[in-house]
Amino acid sequence: DSGVTQTPKHLITATGQRVTLRCSPRSGDLSVYWYQQSLDQGLQFLIQYYNGEERAKGNILERFSAQQFPDLHSELNLSSLELGDSALYFCASSVFSGAQETQYFGPGTRLLVL
Amino acid sequence: DAKTTQPPSMDCAEGRAANLPCNHSTISGNEYVYWYRQIHSQGPQYIIHGLKNNETNEMASLIITEDRKSSTLILPHATLRDTAVYYCIVRVPHSGGSNYKLTFGKGTLLTVNP
Repeated sequence: DSGVTQTPKHLITATGQRVTLRCSPRSGDLSVYWYQQSLDQGLQFLIQYYNGEERAKGNILERFSAQQFPDLHSELNLSSLELGDSALYFCASSVFSGAQETQYFGPGTRLLVL
Repeated sequence: DAKTTQPPSMDCAEGRAANLPCNHSTISGNEYVYWYRQIHSQGPQYIIHGLKNNETNEMASLIITEDRKSSTLILPHATLRDTAVYYCIVRVPHSGGSNYKLTFGKGTLLTVNP
């Protein structure tokens, strides 16, 4: 158990719909990362938040957005869903030790768009 | 971040040592080598990281060659539960708030056989 929690574990929805994925980082971790894992693309970085502020963006679609709240939990919003958005979505929170940062991943949310 | 090259798959007998190689010939002097693994559809799990010295923890040992162009992750007594995809990742050290996403390649699928 990494200490990172994600809800829901599974989500089935239809094309065109909107969903929200939730992530609670490890206690004390300020940074949250979101990753997408699809069969053909592997694990891809989407976006990072640090203490409530967006810090970096990866290959995140404009239909996707995220935020980090004052209690440090984060939500990833996916809208106008397409079949190709079906994937595993992971969040990770990180801890720093000197110059090193180690990311700890949650169990993921499996999204199926029908 | 430097690119890494790993064999796509390896087999290991249960109870034997599993030695997973990684080539990172373009690594820079300040880049660290990280290893993560992903058991089927679970969140990636941090294993170990190192700069130039060999490292050992309760999960594994990391051997980095003197020229730092390659490394080997060693699982000393592999069990069936170690069957997973193992990712070798090279990344720069943290220097204050920048994006430290993990860039995952295809990794090595290690299959531990009874």
